[in-house]
Amino acid sequence: SSEVTQDPAVSVALGQTVSITCQGDGLRNYYPSWYQQKPGQAPKVVFYGKNNRPSGIPERFSAYRSGNTSSLTIAGAQAEDEADYYCHSRDSSGSQLIFGGGTKLTVL
Amino acid sequence: QVTLKESGPALVKPTQTLTLTCTFSGFSLSTSGMRVSWIRQPPGKALEWLARIDWDDDKFYRTSLKTRLTISKDPSKNQVVLTMTNMDPVDTATYYCARTRIAAAALYFDYWGQGSLVTVSS
Repeated sequence: SSEVTQDPAVSVALGQTVSITCQGDGLRNYYPSWYQQKPGQAPKVVFYGKNNRPSGIPERFSAYRSGNTSSLTIAGAQAEDEADYYCHSRDSSGSQLIFGGGTKLTVL
Repeated sequence: QVTLKESGPALVKPTQTLTLTCTFSGFSLSTSGMRVSWIRQPPGKALEWLARIDWDDDKFYRTSLKTRLTISKDPSKNQVVLTMTNMDPVDTATYYCARTRIAAAALYFDYWGQGSLVTVSS
């Protein structure tokens, strides 16, 4: 399969923990990367690989992969975390790069 | 400091060819391991990877658009150029270029340009 699927929308109460999930066959072989995109801005990588958070990204962002599923977890969501989140991986052949459809995170 | 910036026409007519240039600084595409991708995003829709070029001139294209896309680089100018032929209104999108890395068992885009909105309309 050449698709990566994500739930279209997720909400979380301020300060609570939320997970955003993506699924795809390529995830069985390749670690994903996760991007945050706020309105009018370019995406920003917030997590990649097995356990890598870029410099400047808060420690409340983490991710894990199991089988064909990966989850981005935000522990103690803040108002500034409200954004669209995209999962990215390769397809099962490794030659095509695929983004998920994105998840709109609302912080209540 | 790594920066990338896209440039090109804001408006193209159907059937025309789009040429976009990504001008970057802070790294060299002649350096082993460096890569640049083009990614687009139609208004209100998801990101879509289009093409990638590597330091060794390897090139990769989105399968569904492969016949319409050409990616090239000019390391002396720190530029990557994407051409897309036979433009259609469905190609209306913001086009981003992004530095692409492979590390920690993952491929990821660590620096992005601001994006260039291209509208296809007669």
